[in-house]
Amino acid sequence: AQSVSQHNHHVILSEAASLELGCNYSYGGTVNLFWYVQYPGQHLQLLLKYFSGDPLVKGIKGFEAEFIKSKFSFNLRKPSVQWSDTAEYFCAVNASGGYNKLIFGAGTRLAVHP
Amino acid sequence: GAVVSQHPSRVICKSGTSVKIECRSLDFQATTMFWYRQFPKKSLMLMATSNEGSKATYEQGVEKDKFLINHASLTLSTLTVTSAHPEDSSFYICSAVKGQFDSYEQYFGPGTRLTVT
Repeated sequence: AQSVSQHNHHVILSEAASLELGCNYSYGGTVNLFWYVQYPGQHLQLLLKYFSGDPLVKGIKGFEAEFIKSKFSFNLRKPSVQWSDTAEYFCAVNASGGYNKLIFGAGTRLAVHP
Repeated sequence: GAVVSQHPSRVICKSGTSVKIECRSLDFQATTMFWYRQFPKKSLMLMATSNEGSKATYEQGVEKDKFLINHASLTLSTLTVTSAHPEDSSFYICSAVKGQFDSYEQYFGPGTRLTVT
């Protein structure tokens, strides 16, 4: 069965610090990978996604993620966080051909202090 | 755009009653919708996949007689929690897939917080 693990449950940073959130998945076949963000009181929004091609994916709001197939990883990065990035971040995996079913990681709560 | 709404946003009901939650795609047609449950400080757990005009596909461990799903049109799916109990209290989130060409992207609703007393 597929699973997704996010290593950091709670991250606290100061503004302008760099961010990297880990995400590893377990599935041997071809996957599609996603990062979603949930701002306080709001619904889930897509940050970025990887289907194929360049393993370095750029998303909205300055976020990027790198797919490393050999490590089964899809880590999220941002060079300089802002207070407005305070949110919960979810990594998700969809097995290619898996009828769009998404498996989510447990989420990482990011708090950015001014 | 791709906007998904849920109604109600919050509901409190008594134990033993049934509650219906609606999920609507407001500006697109969704042949597939998903229902998730989110526990406090935990991730989203997929409950079922709802396909327009056919029976929902439930994940292992989800009671289909307790969580009734109906996807009667291309813009509406409903989740009915029957004979609700306090342990059903949770945050229920739906998502919708927009067409076949965007089929790997799900658009999420704002969620419905259910409290069973």
